Amino acid sequence: AQSVAQPEDQVNVAEGNPLTVKCTYSVSGNPYLFWYVQYPNRGLQFLLKYITGDNLVKGSYGFEAEFNKSQTSFHLKKPSALVSDSALYFCAVRDGSSNTGKLIFGQGTTLQVKP
Amino acid sequence: GAGVSQSPSNKVTEKGKDVELRCDPISGHTALYWYRQSLGQGLEFLIYFQGNSAPDKSGLPSDRFSAERTGGSVSTLTIQRTQQEDSAVYLCASSRSFTYEQYFGPGTRLTVT
Repeated sequence: AQSVAQPEDQVNVAEGNPLTVKCTYSVSGNPYLFWYVQYPNRGLQFLLKYITGDNLVKGSYGFEAEFNKSQTSFHLKKPSALVSDSALYFCAVRDGSSNTGKLIFGQGTTLQVKP
Repeated sequence: GAGVSQSPSNKVTEKGKDVELRCDPISGHTALYWYRQSLGQGLEFLIYFQGNSAPDKSGLPSDRFSAERTGGSVSTLTIQRTQQEDSAVYLCASSRSFTYEQYFGPGTRLTVT
């Protein structure tokens, strides 16, 4: 069965510092991995994805994520955090070997960036 | 371009009533998904449509829930005999096909009193 774990309910960083939001996954086939961000009272916005190729993927708003197959991880990173990055972040996985598009989401991590 | 739209944005209904939630996907997207977001359960997959293929209904929590997609575009999620535990935000998403990233609508907040 597919699953996603985001071990931290909340991450606090100071503006200008690097940030990392952790995600590990379990899937039987090839993983398709995604990060989404949700601002208050808004829908989910797509940030970036890993399907195949380079393990380091770059996405919107200066975010990037590194796929690590041996550790089954897909951590979200940004070199310099902004106060406006404060939001709820979701990691999601799809089994690339299946013919269904359904995503399995982690529980979400609240990112708080303080000035 | 236009994103995924959902209506209504908010719905308050009495326990036992039926409700219909609507989703308009991005034009040209062949795949459409419904998810539910609630405090206790996080984001749960409900149902997925891809073109003319049979939908993946594996996430529907009970037979009170059903969905259809007419003409390969607009979708309606129907909840019959609503219960308080159905209160949640219902999110619709669409994608170019099931291998691509999904784009989400703003959601419908359903409150069952």
